[in-house]
Amino acid sequence: QQQVKQSPQSLIVQKGGISIINCAYENTAFDYFPWYQQFPGKGPALLIAIRPDVSEKKEGRFTISFNKSAKQFSLHIMDSQPGDSATYFCAAASGDTGRRALTFGSGTRLQVQP
Amino acid sequence: SQTIHQWPATLVQPVGSPLSLECTVEGTSNPNLYWYRQAAGRGLQLLFYSVGIGQISSEVPQNLSASRPQDRQFILSSKKLLLSDSGFYLCAWSLRTNEKLFFGSGTQLSVL
Repeated sequence: QQQVKQSPQSLIVQKGGISIINCAYENTAFDYFPWYQQFPGKGPALLIAIRPDVSEKKEGRFTISFNKSAKQFSLHIMDSQPGDSATYFCAAASGDTGRRALTFGSGTRLQVQP
Repeated sequence: SQTIHQWPATLVQPVGSPLSLECTVEGTSNPNLYWYRQAAGRGLQLLFYSVGIGQISSEVPQNLSASRPQDRQFILSSKKLLLSDSGFYLCAWSLRTNEKLFFGSGTQLSVL
């Protein structure tokens, strides 16, 4: 059962454009929503994260938009650069302190063309 | 600072052979430890997680097992590999009170 659905599977954006990746979830117990960035042959690294008490979080060119009622959240990459080309995973966490686990989306492969 | 070491980086094994992947974390105590598998072009699937020495939770029934013999050591094993065990295996850790995951560099396993 896929608890976090991510789209699109792949995305091509021109340099300077906006990249948008969307995720949707079903489990209302999720209370932490991170995005991870993964370069080929490497492990994913935390990029930005949000909790459901806010609707938006911005860090540099990266913004998470969160819609609690729709159970959706998205990653926006402004002024996309070729160095942003990577696979992006959304995730969601639930559970008691000490036993929290992340459920990941299927990933979006982003290519930023120069 | 905390670091996570995972090895080997690549591994090619024949079907039916055993497997042992090792992961160690430095610079922290009592971490939660995780093994994830990433199939080609797919997402990250949680295989095992551990909240302490000898405490292993399995998320997916499969041909693999995990052990945590020391606080900062996590081992993924198999007695007999299957073709379907091929994939990119990632070890990760988090603080006990925090869900931020820190991943190792991964092991690319090819079972032929």
